[in-house]
Amino acid sequence: AAGVIQSPRHLIKEKRETATLKCYPIPRHDTVYWYQQGPGQDPQFLISFYEKMQSDKGSIPDRFSAQQFSDYHSELNMSSLELGDSALYFCASRDPTDTQYFGPGTRLTVL
Amino acid sequence: EDQVTQSPEALRLQEGESSSLNCSYTVSGLRGLFWYRQDPGKGPEFLFTLYSAGEEKEKERLKATLTKKESFLHITAPKPEDSATYLCAVQAFNTDKLIFGTGTRLQVFP
Repeated sequence: AAGVIQSPRHLIKEKRETATLKCYPIPRHDTVYWYQQGPGQDPQFLISFYEKMQSDKGSIPDRFSAQQFSDYHSELNMSSLELGDSALYFCASRDPTDTQYFGPGTRLTVL
Repeated sequence: EDQVTQSPEALRLQEGESSSLNCSYTVSGLRGLFWYRQDPGKGPEFLFTLYSAGEEKEKERLKATLTKKESFLHITAPKPEDSATYLCAVQAFNTDKLIFGTGTRLQVFP
C-alpha cells in the first residue's frame, strides 16, 4: 500500500540558513499534518492543511511557513535556522476514519 | 488543557511475559484515541484507533482497550521484535491535531 513520502530524508544546514521539507500524502487523503520530534521527545504538532487551506496551527515558530499545493503535496519552509530546530520532522496524512498515517520523517541537523 | 500521560516510561520484559501499557488522558471531548509504534529514527506506525469507552481492538499479540479516562495496550506473549516505543495520542473534537504522550519504551529480551 502507498505510504506518505517525505524528502529529503536527511538535511544538514548551517545556522541562519533556510530549509524546505516536502511531503507527498497517501493518494486520496485530503489533510496533511506536520509534526516536530526532538530527541527523546514526543511529536509536537506544527500545522495542518485541508484542501489547500490551513486548518489548524500549533506551536510553529514565525520563522516557519507551510503550504499545500493543488496536487495535495505540502512543503514546510524554515528560515533563519537555529540549533534548536534540529529534530525529526514528520508529515502525516489523514484517512476518512481520522487516522493519521506518518511518513518516515526528515532528520534536520543544524550546525 | 488536553493532556496525555503514559506509564511506565520504560518496560523490560522477557520473551513470553505478558504486560500492559497505560495511557491516561484528559481531553475536552474525545474524538479518537490512537496507538502508534515507533522504532528509533522512524515515523510512528499506526496500530489502533478507539472512539468510545468500552471499545476494544486486537491485532496479533496486541489488544487496545478504552475507558473514559484511560486506555491500555495489552501485549500477550511478546517477542523481541515487539521492542519499540509505543505512543498514545488523543484528538479532541474541536481540533485536527494529535496530542501525544511521551511514550513507553518497551524492550523484550529472548
